[in-house]
Amino acid sequence: GEDVEQSLFLSVREGDSSVINCTYTDSSSTYLYWYKQEPGAGLQLLTYIFSNMDMKQDQRLTVLLNKKDKHLSLRIADTQTGDSAIYFCAERGSGNTGKLIFGQGTTLQVKP
Amino acid sequence: KAGVTQTPRYLIKTRGQQVTLSCSPISGHRSVSWYQQTPGQGLQFLFEYFSETQRNKGNFPGRFSGRQFSNSRSEMNVSTLELGDSALYLCASSLVGRGPTSYEQYFGPGTRLTVT
Repeated sequence: GEDVEQSLFLSVREGDSSVINCTYTDSSSTYLYWYKQEPGAGLQLLTYIFSNMDMKQDQRLTVLLNKKDKHLSLRIADTQTGDSAIYFCAERGSGNTGKLIFGQGTTLQVKP
Repeated sequence: KAGVTQTPRYLIKTRGQQVTLSCSPISGHRSVSWYQQTPGQGLQFLFEYFSETQRNKGNFPGRFSGRQFSNSRSEMNVSTLELGDSALYLCASSLVGRGPTSYEQYFGPGTRLTVT
């Protein structure tokens, strides 16, 4: 079945790196996404990775994908207080679908 | 380019009533998906529309329905509202076509529905 798991909370100091982890079960997933949600707002697409890639870097964000272990991570370099938010990973299955399966979200707290 | 817009942003309804929420996708995007977000269940997929047809459906009762118009705008309707329908309803649009950017899904700010 389809399931996505994330740890619920992460606290870091400003300037440190943050690593948010995610595991998924659907081996047919084609794309994996990271979204950010700030209080009272919708979801902001941060980045995504295609399932045949191992790594994707986009400015301060690095996504690592271990397809064998079905493990996805998002690393935020030089974390700032403005990065405090809930981060969701999501998987998209194969086939003609826009359906995303989301994890429960990781709350990132950045302390000054 | 304008983002995904949703109206209304906030809504208060009474049990038993019905409600219609609207979503306007990014210009040129042809797929619209709807999600329900609650503290207990998280983000759950409701349905997806593409070219005015429902392409995928989540595990929600028949009280939840939707449609898409020829200009790709979408509406979702919830009939006979229950207290448990209180949630943030999010819609997302995507391009659908060739190339990796066609798989990017962009979300609107959501409609906060409160059922009393």
